[in-house]
Amino acid sequence: QKEVEQNSGPLSVPEGAIASLNCTYSDRGSQSFFWYRQYSGKSPELIMFIYSNGDKEDGRFTAQLNKASQYVSLLIRDSQPSDSATYLCAVTQAAGNKLTFGGGTRVLVKP
Amino acid sequence: KAGVTQTPRYLIKTRGQQVTLSCSPISGHRSVSWYQQTPGQGLQFLFEYFSETQRNKGNFPGRFSGRQFSNSRSEMNVSTLELGDSALYLCASSLSPGGVNEQFFGPGTRLTVL
Repeated sequence: QKEVEQNSGPLSVPEGAIASLNCTYSDRGSQSFFWYRQYSGKSPELIMFIYSNGDKEDGRFTAQLNKASQYVSLLIRDSQPSDSATYLCAVTQAAGNKLTFGGGTRVLVKP
Repeated sequence: KAGVTQTPRYLIKTRGQQVTLSCSPISGHRSVSWYQQTPGQGLQFLFEYFSETQRNKGNFPGRFSGRQFSNSRSEMNVSTLELGDSALYLCASSLSPGGVNEQFFGPGTRLTVL
């Protein structure tokens, strides 16, 4: 089992719709969770971080964390073509105290 | 505030050579992490430095090494290059080590080994 797992996609969504991305992790002691966006040929940029169970909203983005089920998700509302990118989930593992990235989910927003 | 900078941006080397990559973190950040990104393996953790000490290391051979200077700038070195070392090398800086705080990435160094 991979430490952080994401569906590789592509996740195709029409413009204006909600894109829903999921990420599961194996280390039950993980405490910090991050979502990064990476455009093709560019480096990852931080979108959101979440530490506590529940939802956290920032503009069109909402991160949801459920530690009991060991998953973290990202919702993108009113998706725009500029949201087309690969979204990376990153989890800080309690064991080893390092940030581990999932393989990323590619999102395509079609006009 | 200036972001993370990496030099050089592009590098072409041949098998057997060695290479040194440089990373300057955001001012005030003392933690620098290095990652290798390839299409097949994704983003793989190499090592993390904090206050000039290697704090954590990923599962890479000893040909990959690094160091951090007193001004928090970091370098990574790859010796005896192999074709499979062709990748985008990213460094990321953060205030604290261990992935507790968000990491900010530099633009990366694209290494091609021929």
